[in-house]
Order: sequence, then C-alpha cells, then structure tokens
Amino acid sequence: KQEVTQIPAALSVPEGENLVLNCSFTDSAIYNLQWFRQDPGKGLTSLLLIQSSQREQTSGRLNASLDKSSGRSTLYIAASQPGDSATYLCAVRPNGANSKLTFGKGITLSVRP
Amino acid sequence: DTGVSQNPRHKITKRGQNVTFRCDPISEHNRLYWYRQTLGQGPEFLTYFQNEAQLEKSRLLSDRFSAERPKGSFSTLEIQRTEQGDSAMYLCASSFGTQQPQHFGDGTRLSIL
Repeated sequence: KQEVTQIPAALSVPEGENLVLNCSFTDSAIYNLQWFRQDPGKGLTSLLLIQSSQREQTSGRLNASLDKSSGRSTLYIAASQPGDSATYLCAVRPNGANSKLTFGKGITLSVRP
Repeated sequence: DTGVSQNPRHKITKRGQNVTFRCDPISEHNRLYWYRQTLGQGPEFLTYFQNEAQLEKSRLLSDRFSAERPKGSFSTLEIQRTEQGDSAMYLCASSFGTQQPQHFGDGTRLSIL
C-alpha cells in the first residue's frame, strides 16, 4: 500500500527566504506526482505535475523535483512571500489504469512579513 | 475553462438524514473523482468515473454512499442515514485522460449535528 509522508507538518519562515518542502513515498512504481496548494476552507489548486520519466518541473518561483528510485520529491519556493502561506500537499498516482491519487497530510507554511 | 464547481459549499444536517452533493467538472474532462478530507489530513480517494462508468470504489465508500455520473457530465454523491463520522470536506476533481493533472473544486463541507 502506497504511503506518502510530508515532514514537518508545519513551517514558519521570514519573507524572502528560499525554502524546500519535502515529500516521500514508499512505492516507487508511480505514474506521476502532483503538488497542490490548499488555502483554509478551500479546495486544492494544482501547482506542478511531474511525470515519472521527468526529473523536474518549473513554474514561476516554484520548482519541483522527483527522484523516483529513492521515493522523494521536493518543492522549492524561491523568495517566499506572505501570499505563499497555505498548506502544500503532494500526491502520487500509481502505474496502471487506476488514476486515484494518494496524498500526504500536507505541510502548513506560514511566511512572516 | 470555468473550473470544477461543487454545490452546496456547506451542508449542515442532523444525523440520520440523507444528503446529496453535486459536482460539475471542467467541460470535456472525461474523468471525475470524489475524495474526502478530514481536518489535518490529506484527501482520501472515494471513487472515480470515466465518462459515465464508475471504475473504482474505495473501501471507504460504504453501502450508505452512492455516486452517479449520468451522461458522463455532472456527478452526484449521496450519503444515506448520515453518521457523525461522515463530517468532512467532500472534494471533486476532474481530468482529461490519465496524464493530465487533476483539477479540484472548492469542496462541500458536511457537518453532522
């Protein structure tokens, strides 16, 4: 059974800092990995999707990397801003026809002005 | 692209009542997913549809839960004889095919009195 872990559960940083959010998964037979952002009381916003054949994806100040063999992904946020404060979740999709996502519990990020 | 729409946003009901939620996916997305999220946890997969066919149901989906997607467009999730443990955020997502990211709605928050 796939398990996704995100540690720490919460993180507080000053504005402007570059930071890395970690995600690990137990079964490396994944089809892709997706990073999401969730604001309080809201749904999930897709940030980046990395296919299993890719090593990284970039969008603006965000860069996500994937090391499938070691079961790890990182989300790098450059020059953090208070507006980045949210919960960040990673989710993996297994190989095969099944496209359900298995999520971690998320990391709640607070960026202090 | 108007995004995934879910209604209602909030539902408060007494234990034992039946409730129904609706999800309108992004047009042209052939896959539709339901997830459930409790406080402090990542979303958990419930079920998914490809067009009108329900292809997988999680063990979390007891016989009190039923989901439909008539004509492969909108979907409904019904919970019969609600219990306290059903209190959660119910999230709907859609995607076009298996390689594209899943896009989530803002969810329906269910509170059982």
